Amino acid sequence: NAGVTQTPKFRILKIGQSMTLQCTQDMNHNYMYWYRQDPGMGLKLIYYSVGAGITDKGEVPNGYNVSRSTTEDFPLRLELAAPSQTSVYFCASTGTGGGGETQYFGPGTRLLVL
Amino acid sequence: AQSVTQPDIHITVSEGASLELRCNYSYGATPYLFWYVQSPGQGLQLLLKYFSGDTLVQGIKGFEAEFKRSQSSFNLRKPSVHWSDAAEYFCAVGAPLTGNQFYFGTGTSLTVIP
Repeated sequence: NAGVTQTPKFRILKIGQSMTLQCTQDMNHNYMYWYRQDPGMGLKLIYYSVGAGITDKGEVPNGYNVSRSTTEDFPLRLELAAPSQTSVYFCASTGTGGGGETQYFGPGTRLLVL
Repeated sequence: AQSVTQPDIHITVSEGASLELRCNYSYGATPYLFWYVQSPGQGLQLLLKYFSGDTLVQGIKGFEAEFKRSQSSFNLRKPSVHWSDAAEYFCAVGAPLTGNQFYFGTGTSLTVIP
């Protein structure tokens, strides 16, 4: 049981490039989340999903897109990378209870946009 | 609106001393409350959580937290800190009634002096 896995661990992008951050969980969880963590700012929710085919915006969705075609996978897409998207990105999942349950976090993806 | 406040950005304690990390929340219903710990370069790990019942909850690594509804607080405590407790600590509110989202505080960084 690997839990929540994220790839890549680290990436450098040039301004205007695009990339997809991968997230996979093997716990059959319904809810999945993408956060970004900036120094001194805690975690900000980008997007979340309550099940396959259903996604919704969080607090800071601009510049990002997501899809949820399977229960296991929840990729995050950056279309036109900007320096403001330099951050550490965490994927998380919970079971059927959503906001009432423990979140399980991946190890994070560190992104640098230059 | 939901929010979580951790008033202490950074705390330094001596090994063996007691610890209290503060957390205040704003939520319009009975909250689900969590404390997570993040070691450098790692994802977040659950320390403990409160859903209902006994307002004093025990967690892993000897931590405990007390829910005080009248003060809208959920402070984390440990009687005797170990050097390995040095990390970043996040308080979070789970909001199953508002899109099943989670709201995180900005974190408290703990330094432990030998």
